[in-house]
Formats: sequence, structure tokens, C-alpha cells
Amino acid sequence: KAGVTQTPRYLIKTRGQQVTLSCSPISGHRSVSWYQQTPGQGLQFLFEYFSETQRNKGNFPGRFSGRQFSNSRSEMNVSTLELGDSALYLCASSERGGQPQHFGDGTRLSIL
Amino acid sequence: GQQLNQSPQSMFIQEGEDVSMNCTSSSIFNTWLWYKQDPGEGPVLLIALYKAGELTSNGRLTAQFGITRKDSFLNISASIPSDVGIYFCAGDHAGNNRKLIWGLGTSLAVNP
Repeated sequence: KAGVTQTPRYLIKTRGQQVTLSCSPISGHRSVSWYQQTPGQGLQFLFEYFSETQRNKGNFPGRFSGRQFSNSRSEMNVSTLELGDSALYLCASSERGGQPQHFGDGTRLSIL
Repeated sequence: GQQLNQSPQSMFIQEGEDVSMNCTSSSIFNTWLWYKQDPGEGPVLLIALYKAGELTSNGRLTAQFGITRKDSFLNISASIPSDVGIYFCAGDHAGNNRKLIWGLGTSLAVNP
């Protein structure tokens, strides 16, 4: 069974731009969660999607948004990028939104 | 953001030694999870705990869900070089909120 797939693996953007990250969950998993990982703050929860609906949301500004498609694939969008948005963005999937969650290898976003 | 208290922050041990790390929280969790993350990869689930007092093993790894539901520990016996990496604890609050709260990790180095 294929794991969680995230694309792209690496991205370099400049301040003010926007970016879209993609996540394909494990087949059969309907819940997708997104996390931001930085050395100082560790992993911070962004949001969770289930059946195309956002069910939970972390404490991030509105520049961070996401969506989920009918095939459970999810995208995360960050607009008006800031230097502090540089991080590893991780996607995790689970069957129905409970635990455990299984993670992809992340997208490393660097803002110049 | 909210975080768990994970200790120690780092460990440097000799191959063959046993390792112990723990996580504490000021609030109750209904699930505790332990993950390992290698450089350039996403966290990989090691052990999931769902019940207070539960003791679960996965090979040389053993983890326990504290009776108070506010702490958990992970033991690694007879460490080997491939145990090197960062170990994270994560907790899921009781109730409908399914987002994971994370510790800042324990970095383990093993001297062969």
C-alpha cells in the first residue's frame, strides 16, 4: 500500500508570493491533516479535512488555507508569503480522522 | 503554539545501552503516540497508546500511557546505530478535537 505522498519535496519562493502544496493520502484514508514543522516551535497543527470539509483548525492566520477533493487528495495554500513561513510542511492521513496518523515526507518551503 | 514537555532534549549513548525518554502535559490526553523522524523524512509511527496504564512493545521499544493520562514514556533497549534520530511524543486531547499536540523531540545519537 502506497504511503502518503507530498509534492513538491522542495520549494523556494520570495516574500509576497503564494504557494500551493499537494498531499495524496493513503488509499482509503479520508482524513488529511497538515502540520508546520520548525526547529523552534516543533510541529504545529494547521488544519484537518475530512470528506471535503474542514473539521479542525489550528492557530494560524487566514493566509493559510486548504481544501480537499472528492478523492481525498488535499492541497494547502499560503498567500503573501513571509520569511517566517519557511518550514517543513507535513501532511498526515488517517482512515476517519482518529489516531494514528501516518505522515508523508513533507515539503520543504524556503522563503527568500 | 501548545506543546508537550519532552525530556531529555538530547542523548548521546553507547551502542547496547538502554534509553528512556518521557513526555508530560498539564492536560489530559486520550491517546499518546510516539514517532521517530530521520533527516529529510516525515515522522514514522512507532507506538500508539489508547488506554491509561497501557504498556505496549514494538520490538526493542516499549511505551506506557501514564495512569494520570498526563504523561507517557518510551524505552529503547539494547540500542543500535540505526536508532539514531529524533523521537517525538504526541498527544490527542479527550473529546472531539483530533489535532495532535507535540513535544519538541529527543535527539538520540548512538556511538558504535
